[in-house]
Amino acid sequence: QKEVEQDPGPLSVPEGAIVSLNCTYSNSAFQYFMWYRQYSRKGPELLMYTYSSGNKEDGRFTAQVDKSSKYISLFIRDSQPSDSATYLCAMNTGNQFYFGTGTSLTVIP
Amino acid sequence: GAGVSQTPSNKVTEKGKYVELRCDPISGHTALYWYRQSLGQGPEFLIYFQGTGAADDSGLPNDRFFAVRPEGSVSTLKIQRTERGDSAVYLCASSHGQGEGGYTFGSGTRLTVV
Repeated sequence: QKEVEQDPGPLSVPEGAIVSLNCTYSNSAFQYFMWYRQYSRKGPELLMYTYSSGNKEDGRFTAQVDKSSKYISLFIRDSQPSDSATYLCAMNTGNQFYFGTGTSLTVIP
Repeated sequence: GAGVSQTPSNKVTEKGKYVELRCDPISGHTALYWYRQSLGQGPEFLIYFQGTGAADDSGLPNDRFFAVRPEGSVSTLKIQRTERGDSAVYLCASSHGQGEGGYTFGSGTRLTVV
């Protein structure tokens, strides 16, 4: 079993839709949870960072962590074509980050 | 510099050759990480430096892979006797401390072994 599971998609939504991206994990020791956005042929870019359970909002993005269910989510409101990218969840206990496989998102104008 | 810089951006090499990949982290970042990303996969941890020393090299797949950071800034990932399975994007990242606030990644070096 992988440490982090993420549906690779692809996911295609119309502009303005609410997007929900999710990951599950198996290691209860994970404490820090992140979402990265990766455009084609670019390195991952940090979008959201949370510690422990709860919600965190930043503009159109909301990250949720439910440690009891070992489940994290990223919500994108009012999605834009520029949001089209691969979204990677990541989590760590210390030095190593464990990444999901990424979900490919396309927002259609 | 303003961001993490990796060179070259692309490298094509023949099977069996030796390659070096360079990473120049954000100025002042003490922690430096190497990850490898295969097509359709998330990045996989290779090695972590805190200052000049390799604090965790448990992700290096075998002894053909080696990395150094002699002055605590620039790092070089070295791959000996390259194999076709080594083809991937090699990502470098840096951070303050131990990366609790997330890393800043470079754009990666796309290595193709033919």
